[in-house]
Amino acid sequence: EPEVTQTPSHQVTQMGQEVILRCVPISNHLYFYWYRQILGQKVEFLVSFYNNEISEKSEIFDDQFSVERPDGSNFTLKIRSTKLEDSAMYFCASRPTGGPTDTQYFGPGTRLTVL
Amino acid sequence: DAKTTQPNSMESNEEEPVHLPCNHSTISGTDYIHWYRQLPSQGPEYVIHGLTSNVNNRMASLAIAEDRKSSTLILHRATLRDAAVYYCILRESSTPLVFGKGTRLSVIA
Repeated sequence: EPEVTQTPSHQVTQMGQEVILRCVPISNHLYFYWYRQILGQKVEFLVSFYNNEISEKSEIFDDQFSVERPDGSNFTLKIRSTKLEDSAMYFCASRPTGGPTDTQYFGPGTRLTVL
Repeated sequence: DAKTTQPNSMESNEEEPVHLPCNHSTISGTDYIHWYRQLPSQGPEYVIHGLTSNVNNRMASLAIAEDRKSSTLILHRATLRDAAVYYCILRESSTPLVFGKGTRLSVIA
């Protein structure tokens, strides 16, 4: 069964450094998402991406964040200058179409630790 | 998105049925009811969804009240692998999923 993959599984970085989290969505899917989950808290939406542009973003997704689909298969989340509070699990998700019955498929996540 | 209310936690014995309730009294006519679960240290995983009629799939059943103000996810025989946080989410369109705190299900051997 096709699945969403994410790399790395764990990233440790120093505060102020840039990080890029990578995702390979399921190949025929059209909608892509990033969510994050701070330890012990709810899963929070960050950004959705469709047709090579951001379709929706949350208040969390400020100027420090950016997303890109550089080559038609990878989907990346960049955090320009990491802060301690960016430490979280980051989940990538994809879905085939935009309907309300659509299933979102989530990756296993990248644990980001900012020191 | 309309709000859902779920118990914080539930416990079940292995191989017993589990009924996970969800209240959504402000549901609109076009909201679909989705259930996802999150196993420990994993990403969320789709379980089932429905609109008005009860639904069955290989993972679970979804029973929807006639007035649609509540629903129940039914795991017919809980296994240790079903220990997870279960999320009930209402969805009208292609908007992103909005996760609440969900119900943490513990399964006792």
